[in-house]
Amino acid sequence: DAGITQSPRHKVTETGTPVTLRCHQTENHRYMYWYRQDPGHGLRLIHYSYGVKDTDKGEVSDGYSVSRSKTEDFLLTLESATSSQTSVYFCAISESGTSGRETQYFGPGTRLLVL
Amino acid sequence: GNSVTQMEGPVTLSEEAFLTINCTYTATGYPSLFWYVQYPGEGLQLLLKATKADDKGSNKGFEATYRKETTSFHLEKGSVQVSDSAVYFCALSDPGSSNTGKLIFGQGTTLQVKP
Repeated sequence: DAGITQSPRHKVTETGTPVTLRCHQTENHRYMYWYRQDPGHGLRLIHYSYGVKDTDKGEVSDGYSVSRSKTEDFLLTLESATSSQTSVYFCAISESGTSGRETQYFGPGTRLLVL
Repeated sequence: GNSVTQMEGPVTLSEEAFLTINCTYTATGYPSLFWYVQYPGEGLQLLLKATKADDKGSNKGFEATYRKETTSFHLEKGSVQVSDSAVYFCALSDPGSSNTGKLIFGQGTTLQVKP
């Protein structure tokens, strides 16, 4: 199994509170991704990173920011959580993104409930 | 835009039954196609993939053939087991976004296999 951990695994927070989710990898992979999983929508890309300090937006980036100061860590921040951000968040990594054929390896997920 | 459509679930089968989960896609260019599986309480893991037309991906008794003429990548297994109960996601690599490795997922199909 790819060495990917996510923390916390479960979190309950209140509307308007800032929340940071952490993804940590031990594979030294260049690309990292944050997805959210919601019923009927599959997984949707929030943000991704193609190197330290190199990030870009995905399909559903509004209300989220990311940072990557080290190869192994990719942080997802909800500046002011809303109930619509209640979801399961998955981090994924891949060695490269250049060919489109690479496998992405997923972390175990973080279940976030915003009350 | 690029998209993936999967058959509605849940799919309920008896053990040893034949499985087909339909997946069709819309994409410009030449995407790679993937099937990921999510077991209860876990992250996604790659089941199989195909990177060009007419390629067949296979793993653990599952197969899928990349059909460009019908824009399909249907998942099949000849004899399912209870342990195959999971959610299955069809995905494509976004051919319109070079050097990112971004994936576009279908909504997922839940498979339940009864003994």
